[in-house]
Amino acid sequence: DGGITQSPKYLFRKEGQNVTLSCEQNLNHDAMYWYRQDPGQGLRLIYYSQIVNDFQKGDIAEGYSVSREKKESFPLTVTSAQKNPTAFYLCASSIGGTSGGNFYNEQFFGPGTRLTVL
Amino acid sequence: AQSVAQPEDQVNVAEGNPLTVKCTYSVSGNPYLFWYVQYPNRGLQFLLKYITGDNLVKGSYGFEAEFNKSQTSFHLKKPSALVSDSALYFCAPLLYNFNKFYFGSGTKLNVKP
Repeated sequence: DGGITQSPKYLFRKEGQNVTLSCEQNLNHDAMYWYRQDPGQGLRLIYYSQIVNDFQKGDIAEGYSVSREKKESFPLTVTSAQKNPTAFYLCASSIGGTSGGNFYNEQFFGPGTRLTVL
Repeated sequence: AQSVAQPEDQVNVAEGNPLTVKCTYSVSGNPYLFWYVQYPNRGLQFLLKYITGDNLVKGSYGFEAEFNKSQTSFHLKKPSALVSDSALYFCAPLLYNFNKFYFGSGTKLNVKP
């Protein structure tokens, strides 16, 4: 089955601890994204990557870091610098790249990871 | 500044009645327009999109949306609501120059039997 997976489904973090959320896709998509969702709010973009070995900050990148060493993987690390990390985190991917291609492709979302700070 | 407005936090409708979920946007240029649906504790699913052409676009599960350029709106509609349509709906203009979505705050649709 093609799709996008996230793990773990639930994650608990202690104060001052870094945690990494996994996101894997087998759709052969170039672009991948991380969003944060808080109750009553829309999705806010944390980081995105249009191609392997390249990524850009989104609207709320402070306290987060990412890597894109492989096309199919885009892990997100929530660092201790993120003061309010409790949220639902969504990973997404899409076909489109940065040039010459399709800029109007929908994103495919993973099932999400719910992070709670203890 | 870019913005997306979904003016209703919640929409209540009886099963079998038509439904409308509203969206207006203020985004530079001519964005592509999308609707997504989210069921509880799940990721978002694509419903439909407007790129160009006919202002009325049809999508998944019987949903459709009407693009109005002068009002910068893209309202989601369905002629006859089902209880299973109950979910959170997001309007999302896409800035075409670098594939970035702006998501609205979401509208919770409640369809009652």
